[in-house]
Amino acid sequence: DIQMTQSPSSLSASVGDRVTITCRASQSISTYLNWYQQKPGKAPKLLIYAASSLQSGVPSRFSGSGSGTDFTLTISSLQPEDFATYYCQRSYSTPKTFGQGTKVEIK
Amino acid sequence: QVQLQESGPGLVKPSETLSLTCTVSGGSISNYYWSWIRQSPGKGLEWIGYTYDSGSTNYNPSLKSRVTISGDTSKNQFSLKLSSVTAADTAVYYCAREGFYSGSGRNYYYFDNWGQGTLVTVSS
Repeated sequence: DIQMTQSPSSLSASVGDRVTITCRASQSISTYLNWYQQKPGKAPKLLIYAASSLQSGVPSRFSGSGSGTDFTLTISSLQPEDFATYYCQRSYSTPKTFGQGTKVEIK
Repeated sequence: QVQLQESGPGLVKPSETLSLTCTVSGGSISNYYWSWIRQSPGKGLEWIGYTYDSGSTNYNPSLKSRVTISGDTSKNQFSLKLSSVTAADTAVYYCAREGFYSGSGRNYYYFDNWGQGTLVTVSS
């Protein structure tokens, strides 16, 4: 199975900071990569699909890039409501594996 | 807007079968992939499997021997059965729809609609 590894596992940042989260696949997955945001006690919310396409209704400060094995999720200016855990997920074929998550905390 | 709602027992005894149902409103379950995903306390997300159009299924190899997912188009529901449960199966279980986007000659799938999740505890 293709493994998805995120880094870092957690980070502390301040409001207004630029934040970058990395996701690496153990084999090439082209651009079959999605990003989700999850807040405590809530279901994950889709942010980015196909590596770089912004889901409808998601603020433009979120962006995704990458292809092959290396991907990034960037928050251009961190807002208070962005403190959450972020997951990447490979979408091509099965099993549909998620990364282990990156928790973004308030500094 | 499609809405999903999980239902089923919140407590299951070890060695018994966990059974959950996801009721879909605001859209038909036909022509989409419908998945179950779980999250153990304090842990990450694990895809369990999907059903498509009340027939086709695909399961995570790590759970395949114990999982059955089925759909009922007449009720607009799909269900999960996980047999021989242990404490390791204690988790929040989510149902989710896979939407898709067609571009550049490819289909890109993503989980765009989720239920709120239901906690299932395995304990005697």
